[in-house]
Amino acid sequence: DTGVSQDPRHKITKRGQNVTFRCDPISEHNRLYWYRQTLGQGPEFLTYFQNEAQLEKSRLLSDRFSAERPKGSFSTLEIQRTEQGDSAMYLCASSSAGTGDGYTFGSGTRLTVV
Amino acid sequence: GENVEQHPSTLSVQEGDSAVIKCTYSDSASNYFPWYKQELGKGPQLIIDIRSNVGEKKDQRIAVTLNKTAKHFSLHITETQPEDSAVYFCAAPWRPYNAGNMLTFGGGTRLMVKP
Repeated sequence: DTGVSQDPRHKITKRGQNVTFRCDPISEHNRLYWYRQTLGQGPEFLTYFQNEAQLEKSRLLSDRFSAERPKGSFSTLEIQRTEQGDSAMYLCASSSAGTGDGYTFGSGTRLTVV
Repeated sequence: GENVEQHPSTLSVQEGDSAVIKCTYSDSASNYFPWYKQELGKGPQLIIDIRSNVGEKKDQRIAVTLNKTAKHFSLHITETQPEDSAVYFCAAPWRPYNAGNMLTFGGGTRLMVKP
């Protein structure tokens, strides 16, 4: 297994455009998380899936954000009508409920809104 | 939700010295405290974690201590090496007893180990 994969690694978009990021978790992990990290800060929780069910969302996940995890495998995070404040690193992590609480993070997608 | 404060924000040590990073948390019901290491261009990597039923845990040169009464926990790195240079984050449960183990992270400590 190659770990958690995120695509793309970098995305530059114009304000107002929609963007979509993809995360492929470790195959046997049933938990999947999205976090946002701005420069010089720690990651901030956005949303959590157990299998295909989205069980938690933070207040940071405004109505312009939507996340899915069809069939409990890969996940997508879409941002509509991007704003400059959306510029950040978007991190995906996965874990297995049966083997402890430690996450494996992907390398992230860096979004720049110009 | 949980509030996690981390100090110092930057730490510079000589190779071979020890480094200590401290975090405080606000919710006494929190029961899980991981530490992550993040290198440039990479996602955070779990290096050690501790549960509230123990006071200390060690893994080779790395140790974590927990003081539940004072609501703080610390990362100790002994015999530091240049490859320890990175940003370190502490974390605590976003909400205590949350079944999904969502986390609130501290602001990070940039550790620089000088050869």
